Amino acid sequence: NAGVTQTPKFRILKIGQSMTLQCTQDMNHNYMYWYRQDPGMGLKLIYYSVGAGITDKGEVPNGYNVSRSTTEDFPLRLELAAPSQTSVYFCASRGRGALGEKLFFGSGTQLSVL
Amino acid sequence: DAKTTQPPSMDCAEGRAANLPCNHSTISGNEYVYWYRQIHSQGPQYIIHGLKNNETNEMASLIITEDRKSSTLILPHATLRDTAVYYCIIYSGGGADGLTFGKGTHLIIQP
Repeated sequence: NAGVTQTPKFRILKIGQSMTLQCTQDMNHNYMYWYRQDPGMGLKLIYYSVGAGITDKGEVPNGYNVSRSTTEDFPLRLELAAPSQTSVYFCASRGRGALGEKLFFGSGTQLSVL
Repeated sequence: DAKTTQPPSMDCAEGRAANLPCNHSTISGNEYVYWYRQIHSQGPQYIIHGLKNNETNEMASLIITEDRKSSTLILPHATLRDTAVYYCIIYSGGGADGLTFGKGTHLIIQP
């Protein structure tokens, strides 16, 4: 099992450019999440999904979009990149109904918007 | 979910037990205490969780006070690889929304 895989690991964008952060998991997990982490801060939830075709906003969704066409994939889209979106992005997943909230995280994508 | 209070940083000597405190005075009866850690630049990693009783696994022990208003994560024999940010999180479980990660405690293991 690869677990949760994120690509790319690093990316530099110019203001106004768009990009998609990829996330895939091979654990057949229903729930998937996108977090961002600014330097010295905790993680903030951007979007989450409870299954294919179902997504919902987290704490900081503005400027982002997501889709969930399959159980495995949960891409995060930035349409018009802004310097405020410079951050490290983490994707995570967990199985349905597990009382133990064992979130499995990817290794992160470091994004700089200049 | 209840809020938590953790010291921003702690030091511990290698080979000694590291005891990380967490206050959660507003915890409800159905809320669990979870601990995660984040080694530099990596995604957070689950450590342990508990409701009322003390818990132990291969990574750590979790001690929850009888009134459940505070808890302590214990790393019995800290190594340099345990240097990380440790997050104490209160969660009721059963929902789809993700866990809320605060700033945590930066634990530095000294050689």
